[in-house]
Amino acid sequence: QKEVEQNSGPLSVPEGAIASLNCTYSDRGSQSFFWYRQYSGKSPELIMSIYSNGDKEDGRFTAQLNKASQYVSLLIRDSQPSDSATYLCAVKALNSGNTPLVFGKGTRLSVIA
Amino acid sequence: DAGITQSPRYKITETGRQVTLMCHQTWSHSYMFWYRQDLGHGLRLIYYSAAADITDKGEVPDGYVVSRSKTENFPLTLESATRSQTSVYFCASSESSGGATDTQYFGPGTRLTVL
Repeated sequence: QKEVEQNSGPLSVPEGAIASLNCTYSDRGSQSFFWYRQYSGKSPELIMSIYSNGDKEDGRFTAQLNKASQYVSLLIRDSQPSDSATYLCAVKALNSGNTPLVFGKGTRLSVIA
Repeated sequence: DAGITQSPRYKITETGRQVTLMCHQTWSHSYMFWYRQDLGHGLRLIYYSAAADITDKGEVPDGYVVSRSKTENFPLTLESATRSQTSVYFCASSESSGGATDTQYFGPGTRLTVL
């Protein structure tokens, strides 16, 4: 059973701080990694995807991948109250055919003004 | 560009009734997915489809039926609704499955209540 684990939170950070969200996965063959943001009552929306070890930056967001440790993280710099949401980590193995994404249960982030 | 839409957005039904949730995408994506989201369980895959007339079970398929006669539509039917099927249902689509890039894009969701 492929698993994706996230701390459910809530993770509370003050406005302007860096929020660090973590995700571990069990399948060593995983190759594609995604972070989705989900506001309460809304659908998940893609924030970032990462496929190679290292960091990938997009605006205030940085995704970090360490395949050896089976660990992927999302950093949010200069956190804003509008970043308060649940963040879902999703993982897919390369060449897994039709096997869809495996989602974690999400981490709830609360940015305090 | 409408993207991916779901209807109805809200539905209340009674135990034992048949309910169909609709999903439509305008991107011509090959893959489509149905998830349910419940507190404590996160997103769970019900069924998915790789192309028209090709469907496959996900993690929680029991009590659900899908069909895909056209690429753009992927309806989900609850043949005899039960209270345990009260949930928020999300449809998603992706362009591909092979390779490293198969980002899934989600519809707005349908909130279903079974009384």
